[in-house]
Amino acid sequence: GAVVSQHPSWVICKSGTSVKIECRSLDFQATTMFWYRQFPKQSLMLMATSNEGSKATYEQGVEKDKFLINHASLTLSTLTVTSAHPEDSSFYICSARDGRAGGQGNSPLHFGNGTRLTVT
Amino acid sequence: TQLLEQSPQFLSIQEGENLTVYCNSSSVFSSLQWYRQEPGEGPVLLVTVVTGGEVKKLKRLTFQFGDARKDSSLHITAAQPGDTGLYLCAGAPVGTGGFKTIFGAGTRLFVKA
Repeated sequence: GAVVSQHPSWVICKSGTSVKIECRSLDFQATTMFWYRQFPKQSLMLMATSNEGSKATYEQGVEKDKFLINHASLTLSTLTVTSAHPEDSSFYICSARDGRAGGQGNSPLHFGNGTRLTVT
Repeated sequence: TQLLEQSPQFLSIQEGENLTVYCNSSSVFSSLQWYRQEPGEGPVLLVTVVTGGEVKKLKRLTFQFGDARKDSSLHITAAQPGDTGLYLCAGAPVGTGGFKTIFGAGTRLFVKA
């Protein structure tokens, strides 16, 4: 089945530093990947859609200069949290659709295992 | 605004009891997915329902897609502690290009031994 790998699984950083999170599709190509943020005991909130070879599409209220997304290949998208602050502490999850299954809404999303970011 | 309303948001039951989680919307979906998420991990796909009226079974879990494809339910028979987790319904509404998936608020299930 489709596997999405996310790295690191957890990271602690100091306020003001930047953190990069990687999302890889291991056995399929993904022209599009999605980045979510999840607060404790809450559902997933879509932050942005990462498009291979072009600019990411950000959801309303998400700062594109704060959360930099790069999708340089069909199997890798990265999310960089720039100048992180304690309020950026959260669980970040990426997902992708398996293009072999059509890549549209009928195709389920496959998720990485998430990255727990703690900013001190 | 296209929403998926999921209920209940929290459920605490004894082992062996049955339960049903509901997912409702005013929008029509080409398909709906159900995911289960454990703390510190990403959601794991349980099932996709595609056809209106469809019923799918996965061991003790029964999933149903409404005839109008606007709602879905998840029924668990004889719940076990291992069923504890966050259950999420999700789907891409028809008319959005089938591209952007939206999520319900989730149902946090706790099954006590």
